Amino acid sequence: EVQLVESGGGLVQPGGSLRLSCAASGFTFSSYEMNWVRQAPGKGLEWVSYISGSGSSIYYADSMKGRVALSRDNAKNSLYLQMNSLRAEDTAVYYCAREGRGGHSGFDIWGQGTMVTVSS
Amino acid sequence: QLVLTQSPSVSASLGASVKLTCTLDSGHSNYAIAWHQQQPEKGPRYLMKLNSDDTHKKGDGIPDRFSGSSSGAERYLTISSLQSEDEADYYCQTWGTGIRVFGGGTKLTVL
Repeated sequence: EVQLVESGGGLVQPGGSLRLSCAASGFTFSSYEMNWVRQAPGKGLEWVSYISGSGSSIYYADSMKGRVALSRDNAKNSLYLQMNSLRAEDTAVYYCAREGRGGHSGFDIWGQGTMVTVSS
Repeated sequence: QLVLTQSPSVSASLGASVKLTCTLDSGHSNYAIAWHQQQPEKGPRYLMKLNSDDTHKKGDGIPDRFSGSSSGAERYLTISSLQSEDEADYYCQTWGTGIRVFGGGTKLTVL
């Protein structure tokens, strides 16, 4: 079964850091581009970051640029999002999502999400 | 700037059909999009990729009741024979070099 499972969310104080993980299974992870998407409570979906299959290309949304670092370990079928200098407005459910084969085809597989709460 | 616009809400009756609209900005009117469904308290689910030429490719297990079409800068998602479980938020999504974009979402209420 094709699956993405996020972990690493939790409660963190403003200015703190958190590392999210996404474990992939059921497909050849290295062949797919991956993304993180977040959803603040009661709000819509917001794209956060993209990484190519090899990890050589990485893009970030302006809202988090400079505070996040995306990486992947294809040997471990895992995706990571390091988030620093967290703010209250970063409170959201964070989803990892796979892009369809070949890219440029939308996010065809989603994880169940992990909640990040930034609060003192 | 790559922008997708969706109506905030729409309602339709059980068993009826509904057509949701996603509008691309004028500078990107030929872009393909994807449609996603998010049922209450659940994660998003991919429905289909929709091209500007009206062709679309659905995700695994998506019922035939869901279809897509295009006209100019507008991309449509039509749901026929509405069921209670279709009550959800629907998001369109597109992509460019270095960017991925979501529309604001449309909340579908099934009456």
